[in-house]
Amino acid sequence: AQTVTQSQPEMSVQEAETVTLSCTYDTSESNYYLFWYKQPPSRQMILVIRQEAYKQQNATENRFSVNFQKAAKSFSLKISDSQLGDTAMYFCAFMRGGNQGGKLIFGQGTELSVKP
Amino acid sequence: EPEVTQTPSHQVTQMGQEVILRCVPISNHLYFYWYRQILGQKVEFLVSFYNNEISEKSEIFDDQFSVERPDGSNFTLKIRSTKLEDSAMYFCASSSELAGGGVGKNIQYFGAGTRLSVL
Repeated sequence: AQTVTQSQPEMSVQEAETVTLSCTYDTSESNYYLFWYKQPPSRQMILVIRQEAYKQQNATENRFSVNFQKAAKSFSLKISDSQLGDTAMYFCAFMRGGNQGGKLIFGQGTELSVKP
Repeated sequence: EPEVTQTPSHQVTQMGQEVILRCVPISNHLYFYWYRQILGQKVEFLVSFYNNEISEKSEIFDDQFSVERPDGSNFTLKIRSTKLEDSAMYFCASSSELAGGGVGKNIQYFGAGTRLSVL
């Protein structure tokens, strides 16, 4: 069974600074995808970034980038130039690839506070 | 921009009552999901649905739960006899494909959720 672990329940960062959120996962699958979702106080789940396991290149999306270490089964999220609107709960998630995929398995979440 | 719509935003019910949570997925999507988030806990998968049948379900999704796509637009989650522990935020999600293909095809788009309070 796949598991996703986020070891940082809470983090804080000053506005304009950079912060890195950690995520590790466990799987025996070779074809899978990893995601970071953001959940602001409104509680809507919003996709931040997506990474295909077969791609060595780390995904980037504007101020958000990941450090994907496949051998170590690590998938951290870096937020550059943090903004007040980045304050939210961040969830790391795993999805198997292929026709067996679809189910997202989430970590416990990291609550990020961006301070002015 | 297309979005997943869930109604109601908040549902209050008495223990033992039946509730139906409603979702309108993005119109050209083919795969539909329900997730649950108990307050302060992580988001948990309940069920996935494709081609008018359940593709996968979790241990949480027992006989008290059912899903249905009654027409071409709605996707519902029914809880037959609610328990106190069913109190949670329920999220509907949809995607255009399972996995592979091009960029974005296996991304699940979530609705804003329905907060279910069982008294």
